[in-house]
Amino acid sequence: DAKTTQPTSMDCAEGRAANLPCNHSTISGNEYVYWYRQIHSQGPQYIIHGLKNNETNEMASLIITEDRKSSTLILPHATLRDTAVYYCIVRAFTGNQFYFGTGTSLTVIP
Amino acid sequence: KAGVTQTPRYLIKTRGQQVTLSCSPISGHRSVSWYQQTPGQGLQFLFEYFSETQRNKGNFPGRFSGRQFSNSRSEMNVSTLELGDSALYLCASSSNGPTGRFSYNSPLHFGNGTRLTVT
Repeated sequence: DAKTTQPTSMDCAEGRAANLPCNHSTISGNEYVYWYRQIHSQGPQYIIHGLKNNETNEMASLIITEDRKSSTLILPHATLRDTAVYYCIVRAFTGNQFYFGTGTSLTVIP
Repeated sequence: KAGVTQTPRYLIKTRGQQVTLSCSPISGHRSVSWYQQTPGQGLQFLFEYFSETQRNKGNFPGRFSGRQFSNSRSEMNVSTLELGDSALYLCASSSNGPTGRFSYNSPLHFGNGTRLTVT
């Protein structure tokens, strides 16, 4: 039931920007894009979400294309602690049921 | 604000037993959801509670059940445990408007889960 497609894994050098892409070509007009990350053996951590405008918070920036069919999560200065699995989620119409796909395993390299 | 708290952190049970897991949501959050995470199936939605009522349910057998109390704390129960029930069980809470209507614009906040091992 996942509505998103993400690369399985990515590497990023420490201190550089990490750009994580996500395709969600079947997104509906009222569906938000959410990003979470999960570090081994912890619960998923909320990062950011957006509808159609670009969003920025203290953790990351979210760039959503004009047609809303894809988005990119940007971690501006990756650190070793950003090594995690990153999930891009299109919020299902049915309430608080999030469909988590397989995510992108990001490894930040010293 | 304190985050979502789940107890216990780890649990070991044997097949056929039952287990109860507990979740305390973020203060003021009235919606509580439960997820199961396994290496093979990833994160899967179990059910959601709001105001002591289950309002959404995933595709799990009836052995999985839950409830929510008037203070929004929630428990989930798994009866007649099977080896395949070994998983990380995650609880998440979210805020809702005064009417309780869920909002697309309200993130879920997860606890660190209960690691259940069935032997």
